Amino acid sequence: SAVISQKPSRDICQRGTSLTIQCQVDSQVTMMFWYRQQPGQSLTLIATANQGSEATYESGFVIDKFPISRPNLTFSTLTVSNMSPEDSSIYLCSVGGGGGTYEQYFGPGTRLTVT
Amino acid sequence: ILNVEQSPQSLHVQEGDSTNFTCSFPSSNFYALHWYRWETAKSPEALFVMTLNGDEKKKGRISATLNTKEGYSYLYIKGSQPEDSATYLCAFNNAGNNRKLIWGLGTSLAVNP
Repeated sequence: SAVISQKPSRDICQRGTSLTIQCQVDSQVTMMFWYRQQPGQSLTLIATANQGSEATYESGFVIDKFPISRPNLTFSTLTVSNMSPEDSSIYLCSVGGGGGTYEQYFGPGTRLTVT
Repeated sequence: ILNVEQSPQSLHVQEGDSTNFTCSFPSSNFYALHWYRWETAKSPEALFVMTLNGDEKKKGRISATLNTKEGYSYLYIKGSQPEDSATYLCAFNNAGNNRKLIWGLGTSLAVNP
């Protein structure tokens, strides 16, 4: 299994600002994913971060709001842009285990509160 | 729309009690069912991945069963301990889009010493 770290672990941000969340993995991985969990909701996939190409976004998520970088096989960033209180969530990055069952390993999450 | 439902939403038990929770998922186009444990301020931790109907997996005091024909999985904890307090999440892979996990809301377990 991979060891994944995220920065920051939590933040409180003002409406209209942007926050960039970093995800670092201790080994090279092909698939990296970004999720969010809004209060009272299930984990929802935002996008798949692809190394060397644009991220693949899920329905309801757009690049202008959630730009993603993936400069190499061990690192990715997610930016939450022009934040509103509805963006208050836990943001998680994960990596695919590479096995046929698509098991994923997660970072500890970034707890974001937008005021 | 693919839905994964978990029950109960929350559970309080005494140390030493055994408990179980349910995960319901679409029975058609099944690929895999995942159980995770998520403690506050920590990473969600993978417990089991199950693919075969009738499968049963065990890890210490925790075990899980799978019925793909009727679309449910049970997670059992025997002799609950305070360190078992966490949210238990299940997630489902659909054969049509098997990289993507569809998540339930979780069961929040609190074990009182």
